[in-house]
Amino acid sequence: SQQGEEDPQALSIQEGENATMNCSYKTSINNLQWYRQNSGRGLVHLILIRSNEREKHSGRLRVTLDTSKKSSSLLITASRAADTASYFCATASGGSYIPTFGRGTSLIVHP
Amino acid sequence: GAGVSQSPRYKVAKRGQDVALRCDPISGHVSLFWYQQALGQGPEFLTYFQNEAQLDKSGLPSDRFFAERPEGSVSTLKIQRTQQEDSAVYLCASTGTSPDTQYFGPGTRLTVL
Repeated sequence: SQQGEEDPQALSIQEGENATMNCSYKTSINNLQWYRQNSGRGLVHLILIRSNEREKHSGRLRVTLDTSKKSSSLLITASRAADTASYFCATASGGSYIPTFGRGTSLIVHP
Repeated sequence: GAGVSQSPRYKVAKRGQDVALRCDPISGHVSLFWYQQALGQGPEFLTYFQNEAQLDKSGLPSDRFFAERPEGSVSTLKIQRTQQEDSAVYLCASTGTSPDTQYFGPGTRLTVL
């Protein structure tokens, strides 16, 4: 079963535009993470936000977390063609370090 | 340093065959995870090791799936009597001092004909 659900399922933008992806989840979490997966590759960890945090930044990435709405968003600013990938949110709950992944958002950035 | 490696990268098996998938975690990483990723889906947890101890195997879909990590480093995921529904990418991940951050291998794409 998958805890997180990303929205939209697919996103197509032009290079230089911003890309926003959302993740909703069902149960209380300890933390939420975003991962990127390029075609045919493994997942790469992007950023982790804990349940007591509201916003985190890493380079061109900005993640927000709203625990009252059980949702998170990932913003990629000034997108590049190299950002083309699938993006997954993953949540950890209770005392577990085992993340539960959503189905992902497929992002295409056109040069 | 070297990341997580998996072999083979691609495996084609005839239905009913047994397969073994290998994962080499990052050196010194205590925890190791296996996931199954179907086409168009996110990874689904299969099993988790801390050193050589298999602490959670709740995600293994049937008793045809078996995983081991006898010396606490390399791990093998074995699937017996493969079925078509076993076709997926099998991902391995390990964690170091920060248990929340998983480092993934490139995966093994298994196709069962």
